[in-house]
Amino acid sequence: QVPLQESGPGLVKPSDTLSLTCAVSGYSMHTDNWWGWIRQPPGKGLEWIGYINYSGTTYYNPSLKSRVTMSVDTSKSQFSLDLTSVTAVDTAVYYCVKKIGAQWYFDLWGRGTLVTVSS
Amino acid sequence: QSALTQPRSVSGSPGQSVTISCTAISSDIGDYKYVSWYQQHPGKAPKLMIYDVYKRPSGVPDRFSGSRSGNTASLTISGLQTEDEADYHCCSFEGSTFIFGGGTKLTVL
Repeated sequence: QVPLQESGPGLVKPSDTLSLTCAVSGYSMHTDNWWGWIRQPPGKGLEWIGYINYSGTTYYNPSLKSRVTMSVDTSKSQFSLDLTSVTAVDTAVYYCVKKIGAQWYFDLWGRGTLVTVSS
Repeated sequence: QSALTQPRSVSGSPGQSVTISCTAISSDIGDYKYVSWYQQHPGKAPKLMIYDVYKRPSGVPDRFSGSRSGNTASLTISGLQTEDEADYHCCSFEGSTFIFGGGTKLTVL
């Protein structure tokens, strides 16, 4: 099984909400792991979106904070991302990632899913 | 909030060494000690290569090394191999925020 697997619509209309889910396999969501999202617009660099732990504590990128909500469902071993009021600049490959407690790097990445914002 | 600047591209021949820089531009960069590097092959997810400036995860060849001098972190790849051709991204954690550089394309000639 793939440790982290993203899922969600590949096409979202402008002004709508982008919603993605990441299924976690082989790792407990109740330990000192944090679960996050990073995106990469086509041909560009990476951008950190935020992360969440099993209890729902979140940290968001200040530049996206007003539009981002993350949630976690430990019973289903998954976590989710909602990004509201999307525009074309939100078109990107979205990766779900894992970090460990007070370690400041991402040690596990999903394969990524391309989300295109277009009417 | 700081920005991280990387060269857009670097190149080297098999067997040679290359160094990719990552310079923090900020009035308050802190001690810049949480720098990580990620390798990304085309169409693939990034892979952690270096963390905490110089530490190597298990399984990463010791040809990859990290260092820092002042506000510039560097990734050095020695004994270049064709499979090292990829994009490399630096990342820094400061305050409560992760910042990525723009990425550097490494070409192995």
